[in-house]
Amino acid sequence: SQQGEEDPQALSIQEGENATMNCSYKTSINNLQWYRQNSGRGLVHLILIRSNEREKHSGRLRVTLDTSKKSSSLLITASRAADTASYFCATDTGRRALTFGSGTRLQVQP
Amino acid sequence: DGGITQSPKYLFRKEGQNVTLSCEQNLNHDAMYWYRQDPGQGLRLIYYSQIVNDFQKGDIAEGYSVSREKKESFPLTVTSAQKNPTAFYLCASSISNEQYFGPGTRLTVT
Repeated sequence: SQQGEEDPQALSIQEGENATMNCSYKTSINNLQWYRQNSGRGLVHLILIRSNEREKHSGRLRVTLDTSKKSSSLLITASRAADTASYFCATDTGRRALTFGSGTRLQVQP
Repeated sequence: DGGITQSPKYLFRKEGQNVTLSCEQNLNHDAMYWYRQDPGQGLRLIYYSQIVNDFQKGDIAEGYSVSREKKESFPLTVTSAQKNPTAFYLCASSISNEQYFGPGTRLTVT
């Protein structure tokens, strides 16, 4: 079963607006990561947040982590058409490989 | 120019034939992974290898086989026992927490 589940499954916004995606997971984690996938391509690592961190920033990205609720959110500010992609959360439990969620498909309209 | 390469980008096979997907990395990473992605879905782990000459089954290993004879290479064979082989296959490698992905191979079996 998927450790991480993203919400919403799909999101459509206008350029310049903010996009927020959420991820919920089931078991304790060492860290949580967000990846981006352009259509038909491999995934690209965006940001990693450790279990003892609550918030992290990278450029226009802001990630939060609430371990008590087993949830994370990814905020993309001032979105651009080039941000159109699928976004996946992945949890690292320290046991083997990352476990990926089903993704949020983001469409940014120019 | 470091990275992960997968070849070919598109692969077509007849049902009943085995097919081998290539994955090569020159990042000097110990760990390598194979994932399967179906349309609109997340990634599911097929096999992973933490070190040369060792590999472990993931969540959906049935109908697949791998080898890890060299650090740089982790080929995946899709056998005729795999009931629904048509999918997008992604290879990744990692040295710590972050995974680096190849561009993927889209396999179509008819």
